[in-house]
Amino acid sequence: SYDLTQPLSVSVTLGQTARISCGGNNIGSKSVHWYQQKPGQAPVLVIYRDSIRPSGIPDKFSGSNSLNRATLTISGAQAGDEADYYCQVWDSGSAVFGGGTKLTVL
Amino acid sequence: EVQLVESGGGLVHPGGSLRLSCAASGFTFSDHYMDWVRQAPGKGLEWVGRIRNKVNSYTTEYAASVKGTFTISRDDSKNSLYLRMNSLKSEDTAIYYCVRGSSGRSFDSWGQGTLVTVSS
Repeated sequence: SYDLTQPLSVSVTLGQTARISCGGNNIGSKSVHWYQQKPGQAPVLVIYRDSIRPSGIPDKFSGSNSLNRATLTISGAQAGDEADYYCQVWDSGSAVFGGGTKLTVL
Repeated sequence: EVQLVESGGGLVHPGGSLRLSCAASGFTFSDHYMDWVRQAPGKGLEWVGRIRNKVNSYTTEYAASVKGTFTISRDDSKNSLYLRMNSLKSEDTAIYYCVRGSSGRSFDSWGQGTLVTVSS
């Protein structure tokens, strides 16, 4: 099975840029999607196809994907960005999620 | 506005069965692939399975962990998605989300989820 590796936690100072990685074997050949989940809420799609923002998602969210790592970048992090973030790809007909990263804004 | 509303969750004994439903509105349900994703308490997201649309013969795919015990179906006339779960185990305890598949194969809309607890 295909594994996606995310750091358990990432911390960022208020107003600075946070980067959350998602590692996978040759992940650059796949489309990566990112979801934000706040406590007690359902996940929300924030980036799809590596770097495209859905309607209504602010441009502070951006994504990239190359070789063995995809990255979600959150610019000007605010307290409201504190959440769990999950990457997701498809492999051999199954959707695969990373283990999730808890973003803390200090 | 896209809305997905799950129902049918609850407490069930190990070995029991349960059927979850998802009522969809705000979009052309019949056009979309639909999925179920679950989340065990305090854990990450796990894909359960998918059902394609009529154009793709309503074919289904399942995660290895549920294949043979869970069945996904849909009724386009009722804009509804279903998940039949048999032979439930404690490790099936989770919030189950109804999810819309979108272009690019992402999950662009999620319901609020329904909690299934498998316990004696």
